[in-house]
Amino acid sequence: QKEVEQNSGPLSVPEGAIASLNCTYSDRGSQSFFWYRQYSGKSPELIMSIYSNGDKEDGRFTAQLNKASQYVSLLIRDSQPSDSATYLCAVNPNDYKLSFGAGTTVTVRA
Amino acid sequence: DADVTQTPRNRITKTGKRIMLECSQTKGHDRMYWYRQDPGLGLRLIYYSFDVKDINKGEISDGYSVSRQAQAKFSLSLESAIPNQTALYFCATSGRGRDTGELFFGEGSRLTVL
Repeated sequence: QKEVEQNSGPLSVPEGAIASLNCTYSDRGSQSFFWYRQYSGKSPELIMSIYSNGDKEDGRFTAQLNKASQYVSLLIRDSQPSDSATYLCAVNPNDYKLSFGAGTTVTVRA
Repeated sequence: DADVTQTPRNRITKTGKRIMLECSQTKGHDRMYWYRQDPGLGLRLIYYSFDVKDINKGEISDGYSVSRQAQAKFSLSLESAIPNQTALYFCATSGRGRDTGELFFGEGSRLTVL
């Protein structure tokens, strides 16, 4: 079982819709969770971090964490063409390093 | 200038050649990492270093070696390159503790082994 699993997509949504990305992880002791965005041909950049159960909102992005279910998600509201990218879920099972999912590619249709 | 700089950005080489990818950073971070990215497999950790005297293997270290020449410099070597090492390589840095999760990536080095 992979440490971090994501729906591979691609996920296609119309402009203005909500994009919903899901991620599950295997290490129940994980404490820190992150979403990175990677545009085609570019390096990943951090867009959200979440450490406690519940929702965390930042602009049009909402991260949701459920440690009991070992599940973290990212919602992108009012999706824009500029949101078209690959989104990487990352989990920090200890103080040492991140484990990344394979990523979900999102395409926002104008 | 970028905070994390990788050289070369692109490299084509032949099987059996020795290759070095270099990374330097101006973030002032102690922690540095080398990741490899392949389509469908995401980012996989090759090596990581928490300071100049601390080097650790990641999940896919076979065929690779690293050197931490200074706090700001971390290089990755392929002693004898093989075609399945064709990939996009990223260097990254981070702070400590909870900040370990916030990685700052270089622009990537695309390596092709023929």
